[in-house]
Amino acid sequence: ETGVTQSPTHLIKTRGQQVTLRCSSQSGHNTVSWYQQALGQGPQFIFQYYREEENGRGNFPPRFSGLQFPNYSSELNVNALELDDSALYLCASSRLQGNTEAFFGQGTRLTVV
Amino acid sequence: DAKTTQPNSMESNEEEPVHLPCNHSTISGTDYIHWYRQLPSQGPEYVIHGLTSNVNNRMASLAIAEDRKSSTLILHRATLRDAAVYYCILRLNTGNQFYFGTGTSLTVIP
Repeated sequence: ETGVTQSPTHLIKTRGQQVTLRCSSQSGHNTVSWYQQALGQGPQFIFQYYREEENGRGNFPPRFSGLQFPNYSSELNVNALELDDSALYLCASSRLQGNTEAFFGQGTRLTVV
Repeated sequence: DAKTTQPNSMESNEEEPVHLPCNHSTISGTDYIHWYRQLPSQGPEYVIHGLTSNVNNRMASLAIAEDRKSSTLILHRATLRDAAVYYCILRLNTGNQFYFGTGTSLTVIP
């Protein structure tokens, strides 16, 4: 049990729709990162939020956006869903300062049909 | 992106030690080496991390080469619960942004 919770656990959407995924970070952590994991692949870094600002972004288009709230929880929004967006979306919380480990949630399995 | 290279798969007998290698020849002086593992249908789980010196914790040991271009994760006695995909990752000093490779899928044989 990592203390990082994601919701929903599973989701089915239609191509072209929009989706919002949620993540509650572990107590004491001020940084949230989001990852996309396609079947059989390692997680790919989408972006990171620190103090409610984006603090780094991977190679993902602008239709992937996010928010971090004052309580450090976070949302990942994906607009204009494509079939290739079907994946496991993982949230990881950590402290930015110091070299510490990240704690991952169980993920949200998104299927786009 | 910081790159690591790992074998795609490895096998080990139960209760035997396992040595999982990782090459990271492009590592810079401030990059930490992190290991995570992912069990089926779960998020990645932290295993261990280090910078220059070998590290031990309750889960595993991390042996880092003197030139830091490679490292080895050591599971002292493999159990069936250790069957997972193991990822070796370089954590850049700019933040906890991890760039995963495809990892090593460890099979533990009873």
